[in-house]
Amino acid sequence: GQNIDQPTEMTATEGAIVQINCTYQTSGFNGLFWYQQHAGEAPTFLSYNVLDGLEEKGRFSSFLSRSKGYSYLLLKELQMKDSASYLCAPSSGGSYIPTFGRGTSLIVHP
Amino acid sequence: DAGVTQSPTHLIKTRGQQVTLRCSPKSGHDTVSWYQQALGQGPQFIFQYYEEEERQRGNFPDRFSGHQFPNYSSELNVNALLLGDSALYLCASSFQTGGNNQPQHFGDGTRLSIL
Repeated sequence: GQNIDQPTEMTATEGAIVQINCTYQTSGFNGLFWYQQHAGEAPTFLSYNVLDGLEEKGRFSSFLSRSKGYSYLLLKELQMKDSASYLCAPSSGGSYIPTFGRGTSLIVHP
Repeated sequence: DAGVTQSPTHLIKTRGQQVTLRCSPKSGHDTVSWYQQALGQGPQFIFQYYEEEERQRGNFPDRFSGHQFPNYSSELNVNALLLGDSALYLCASSFQTGGNNQPQHFGDGTRLSIL
């Protein structure tokens, strides 16, 4: 089964750093996706972690601990355009299909 | 290079009717997945098609069915529509290379409203 937990909403100031946490309980786990979704738009791929550790990609970094069932997305130098929903999605099984949580709505204010 | 395209963008139906949604995958992709996203929720996996066959299915009733064509495009059919079927329906495509995972690319979705 799947159980994904992430905060419903977070607020932060432009230029700051924010960390969005995600815990999961996934049978047959093989990796974890993070997607960004602006209101009324399609989700867009941010990162995919397979191994433990931190992967950095520009202003965004994603961390995974397989043993703890824990991941976080770190957003640096926040911009107003980063206001969006951030979806944590562990994948499992041979087809690597992600299972999405409810998402964290991030509001960036001036 | 066209991304994932879905049609129609919006659709209004009444209870009991049937609907067909369409999806063309991103160029070079051979796998199509369908998701249902209710307001304020994350996308929920309906099923995935590869080589014209349903290879995995989520927790959705048989009223939800699909098809994949030789050109990799796909259709989602929903019969006997219920009010609760009102949602954004997202199509996502990817390319399966052996056991390696590839990120899914999403279309803009079809907003389905049931009256």
